[in-house]
Amino acid sequence: QKEVEQNSGPLSVPEGAIASLNCTYSDRGSQSFFWYRQYSGKSPELIMFIYSNGDKEDGRFTAQLNKASQYVSLLIRDSQPSDSATYLCAASSGGSNYKLTFGKGTLLTVNP
Amino acid sequence: DGGITQSPKYLFRKEGQNVTLSCEQNLNHDAMYWYRQDPGQGLRLIYYSQIVNDFQKGDIAEGYSVSREKKESFPLTVTSAQKNPTAFYLCASSKGLAGGTTDTQYFGPGTRLTVL
Repeated sequence: QKEVEQNSGPLSVPEGAIASLNCTYSDRGSQSFFWYRQYSGKSPELIMFIYSNGDKEDGRFTAQLNKASQYVSLLIRDSQPSDSATYLCAASSGGSNYKLTFGKGTLLTVNP
Repeated sequence: DGGITQSPKYLFRKEGQNVTLSCEQNLNHDAMYWYRQDPGQGLRLIYYSQIVNDFQKGDIAEGYSVSREKKESFPLTVTSAQKNPTAFYLCASSKGLAGGTTDTQYFGPGTRLTVL
């Protein structure tokens, strides 16, 4: 059973702090990894994807991938109250991105 | 204005009824997907389609059916055989094979189905 595990929440950080969201995956064949943000009652929206080991930065967001440790993370710098949402980690299954395995999500609350 | 639309936003079903959820995209994407999300749970794949007139079962296809007669449309029918259909249903699309390793799924706004 291919699994994606996310750090249990909820996670609470003060405004302006760095929020760190973590994810591990069981399928060594996974090649691509995705972070989605989901506001309560809404559908997921893509934040970033990463498929190479190392860091990938996009504005206040940095995704980190370590395939040897089967570990993906998302850092949010200068956290804002508008970042309060559930963050979903997803890993591709096998050699294609058709089948994604999603984690259960981590609820992040940024306190003003 | 490109995007993915789902209708209806809310749907109520009586036990024993079949209902069909609509999903349309104008992104010219080849691949389309249906997911189910239950409270506190990750998304689970119901069906996906890589090309018109072809679709594959996902992890939880029992009690559901789909069709892909047009590139833009991928309707999902929740049949009476689905024992616990109350959930948030999400449709997604992606470039598919053309996207390669960077192929990314984008989601529609979702349909919330409740069984009365």
